[in-house]
Amino acid sequence: QVQLQESGPGLVKPSETLSLTCAVSGYSISSGYYWGWIRQPPGKGLEWIGSIYHSGSTYYNPSLKSRVTISVDTSKNQFSLKLSSVTAADTAVYYCARYAPLPYAGDYWGQGTLVTVSS
Amino acid sequence: DIQMTQSPSSVSASVGDRVTITCRASQGISSWLAWYQQKPGKAPKLLIYAASSLQSGVPSRFSGSGSGTDFTLTISSLQPEDFATYYCQQANSFPPAFGGGTKVEIK
Repeated sequence: QVQLQESGPGLVKPSETLSLTCAVSGYSISSGYYWGWIRQPPGKGLEWIGSIYHSGSTYYNPSLKSRVTISVDTSKNQFSLKLSSVTAADTAVYYCARYAPLPYAGDYWGQGTLVTVSS
Repeated sequence: DIQMTQSPSSVSASVGDRVTITCRASQGISSWLAWYQQKPGKAPKLLIYAASSLQSGVPSRFSGSGSGTDFTLTISSLQPEDFATYYCQQANSFPPAFGGGTKVEIK
C-alpha cells in the first residue's frame, strides 16, 4: 500500500522559506509517476503548486514559480518543497500526492500538514 | 492556462437523491479530467479519472461523463457518506487547475 507523509515546521515567519518533506512508503519514487504538492488555504479550494517527475523534471504553477523549488531524494524515497519569501497568504494545509503520468490524477495523497505564516 | 469552473457551488440534497455536478474548462481538454471527493479535515480522494473511469474501490453510484469542455459528475443515489465537497481537475496540461468545488449538503 502506497503511503505518503508530510513533515516540516507548522509555523514559518513572514519573508522566510517554507520547507516540507514528503516521505513515500510502499512504492519507489524512482520507478515512475509524478510527485506533487497541492495546498488549500483555510476554508478555500485546492491549488496545485508543482510536481517533479521521477526523472527529475519539474513543473511549477506559474503563479508561484519564482518562489518554488521541488526536489527529490531517491536514496531516502522522499521529495521536498521549498517556498521562499512567504506571506500570510501562504498559510494553508499542504498536501503531497502521487500523480499518474496519463491521465494526470492524484491517486495517493498524504494527510496534509497545516503551515501558518505568522511572526 | 486552462481555467475550470464548477457549478453549482453548493447543493442541498436528501439521501437517495440523484445529484449532478458540472465542470467546464476554458478550452478543450479532450477527456483529461479527474474528480475528487474531500471530507472535512481529510485529503482529497480520487473518484474518477479520464472523465469517466472509476477509480478502484469507488462505489458504482459515482459516474462521470463529458469531453471537450463540458463534464459532469453524477451520484445516482446519494448516501450519507457522500456529503462532502467535490472538485474537478483538468489533466490535459500543466498547470493542472482545480475547479472551485461543489459542496453537497444535507437537505
